[in-house]
Amino acid sequence: DVKVTQSSRYLVKRTGEKVFLECVQDMDHENMFWYRQDPGLGLRLIYFSYDVKMKEKGDIPEGYSVSREKKERFSLILESASTNQTSMYLCASSIPLNTEAFFGQGTRLTVV
Amino acid sequence: AQKVTQAQTEISVVEKEDVTLDCVYETRDTTYYLFWYKQPPSGELVFLIRRNSFDEQNEISGRYSWNFQKSTSSFNFTITASQVVDSAVYFCALSDYSSGGSYIPTFGRGTSLIVHP
Repeated sequence: DVKVTQSSRYLVKRTGEKVFLECVQDMDHENMFWYRQDPGLGLRLIYFSYDVKMKEKGDIPEGYSVSREKKERFSLILESASTNQTSMYLCASSIPLNTEAFFGQGTRLTVV
Repeated sequence: AQKVTQAQTEISVVEKEDVTLDCVYETRDTTYYLFWYKQPPSGELVFLIRRNSFDEQNEISGRYSWNFQKSTSSFNFTITASQVVDSAVYFCALSDYSSGGSYIPTFGRGTSLIVHP
């Protein structure tokens, strides 16, 4: 069974903290994505990666960075968490041939 | 400009009713892909269907059916005889080459479907 696993389901962090959200996939997929989901706004792309050490900005990269040192792992980093980054974060992976993306269960991050 | 529009924010029906979720998309590419995903209360998005721009055949899978019409740039999703388990947020997505130079899916804002017993 294919799997995308996000390290935490719920996370509470303080303003100014550095936050790491981890995502691991076991399908040998080249593409990995980080989306942010907010009520009424749907899913918005933060960053994506199409290969190890490769990354591209999505629609809302400000305040975020990413790391992909191994094919199976894609990390989202909030350099200095702020309250407006309180949101649901979804990781996904896919193969490059424009097939469907497989999603993790999401991390609900609250910044206080 | 929004590339995928799901105009219905929330739909509420009673069990056994049929319901159609609308999706209108915008692209200049001739090759593109459309998707529907379901997000139950547990949070994980589940893939339902993919359709490429060259295949306008409608598809039926059990109680689910999809109507793809290039002439109106729409890819609507119908659930027949809805059930409480269909309650979820449904997302339509478009993947075309103009999405930053790669085929990256762009999602609509989602339609929340509530099916009452």
